[in-house]
Amino acid sequence: GAVVSQHPSRVICKSGTSVKIECRSLDFQATTMFWYRQFPKKSLMLMATSNEGSKATYEQGVEKDKFLINHASLTLSTLTVTSAHPEDSSFYICSARSQGTDQPQHFGDGTRLSIL
Amino acid sequence: LAKTTQPISMDSYEGQEVNITCSHNNIATNDYITWYQQFPSQGPRFIIQGYKTKVTNEVASLFIPADRKSSTLSLPRVSLSDTAVYYCLVGVQGNTPLVFGKGTRLSVIA
Repeated sequence: GAVVSQHPSRVICKSGTSVKIECRSLDFQATTMFWYRQFPKKSLMLMATSNEGSKATYEQGVEKDKFLINHASLTLSTLTVTSAHPEDSSFYICSARSQGTDQPQHFGDGTRLSIL
Repeated sequence: LAKTTQPISMDSYEGQEVNITCSHNNIATNDYITWYQQFPSQGPRFIIQGYKTKVTNEVASLFIPADRKSSTLSLPRVSLSDTAVYYCLVGVQGNTPLVFGKGTRLSVIA
């Protein structure tokens, strides 16, 4: 089945650091990928839709200058949390859907980001 | 996007069949129904997807009535490892993202 790989799985860094998270579709091409954020005991919250070769579409309330998204190829999207602060600590999850109208979204295993 | 409503939590003993029902009264004609399972600190894992009637795979069955305003995920003979949060989502495929509700927290006890 379709596999989405996310890296790194865990990051611990100091406040003010920028952190890049990679999301790869391993066995299919994804013109669109999605980034979610999840706080403890809460559901996934959609942050943005990443479109290959064009600008990402951000959900209301998500700062595009804080969360930079780049979708440079059909198999790779990156999320960069710029100048991260403790309140950015969260579980970030990407997903992608292979081509075809009946294909489900597949999710990466998430990245646990902890800002000290 | 159609909103979904499902029980916040459920408990079950090992070996029992578990049925989780999801309401989606505003489902659109083109919407599919998809269920995911999520363990702590992991991304959601696809379980099953359907459009109408019944779908079965190696891990679950999905029952969808004719009006498609609800769906039931059936997990046969659950084990302790099935303890997780289960999400029901409806939406159009393609470039439209799935929007998650609160999910159902299933606890399986020995």
